[in-house]
Amino acid sequence: KQEVTQIPAALSVPEGENLVLNCSFTDSAIYNLQWFRQDPGKGLTSLLLIQSSQREQTSGRLNASLDKSSGRSTLYIAASQPGDSATYLCAVEGSNYKLTFGKGTLLTVNP
Amino acid sequence: EAGVAQSPRYKIIEKRQSVAFWCNPISGHATLYWYQQILGQGPKLLIQFQNNGVVDDSQLPKDRFSAERLKGVDSTLKIQPAKLEDSAVYLCASSLASGSFVETQYFGPGTRLLVL
Repeated sequence: KQEVTQIPAALSVPEGENLVLNCSFTDSAIYNLQWFRQDPGKGLTSLLLIQSSQREQTSGRLNASLDKSSGRSTLYIAASQPGDSATYLCAVEGSNYKLTFGKGTLLTVNP
Repeated sequence: EAGVAQSPRYKIIEKRQSVAFWCNPISGHATLYWYQQILGQGPKLLIQFQNNGVVDDSQLPKDRFSAERLKGVDSTLKIQPAKLEDSAVYLCASSLASGSFVETQYFGPGTRLLVL
C-alpha cells in the first residue's frame, strides 16, 4: 500500500526567504508525482506534475524535483511571498489514475 | 472554461441523519472522483467513476455511503446514516482520462460537512 509522508507539517518563514518542502513515498512504482496547493475553504490547485521519467519541473518561482528510486520529491519555493501562504500537498499517481496524498505542509509566509 | 461545481458548500446535520452532495464535473471529463478530507489529513479517494461505471470504490464505506453518476456527467454522494467521524470536507474532482498519465485532476471547492 502506497504511503506518502510530508515534512515538515508546518513551516513559518519571513517574506523573501527561499524554502524547501519535502515529500517521500514508499512504493516507487508511480506514473507521476504532483504538488498541489490548497487555500482555506477551497479545493486543490495543481502546481506541478512530474512524470516518472522526469527529474524536475519548474513553474515561475516553483521548482519540483523527483528521485523515483529513493522515493523522494522536493518543492522549492524561491523568494517567498505572503500570497504563498497555503497548505501544500504532495500526491503520487499509480494505476487507474489513482492519487495517494500526503497530509500536507502548512506554509505561512510573514510580511 | 467552467470548473468543477459542488453543492452545497456547507452542511450541518445530526448523527444518524442522511445527507447528499452533488458534483458537476468539467464538460467532457470522463473520470470523476470523490475524496474525503478529514481535518489535518490529505484527501482520501472514496470512489472513482469512468463515465458512469465504477473503477474503484475500495475505500468507500458501503454500509453507509453510496454514489452514482447517471448519464456519465453529474454525480451524487450520499451518506445514510451519518456518524460523527464523517465530519470532513468532501471533494469532487474530474479529469479527461485520455489514457495519458500526464494530465491532472481538477478539484471543486468541496462540501464541508459537520455531524453533531
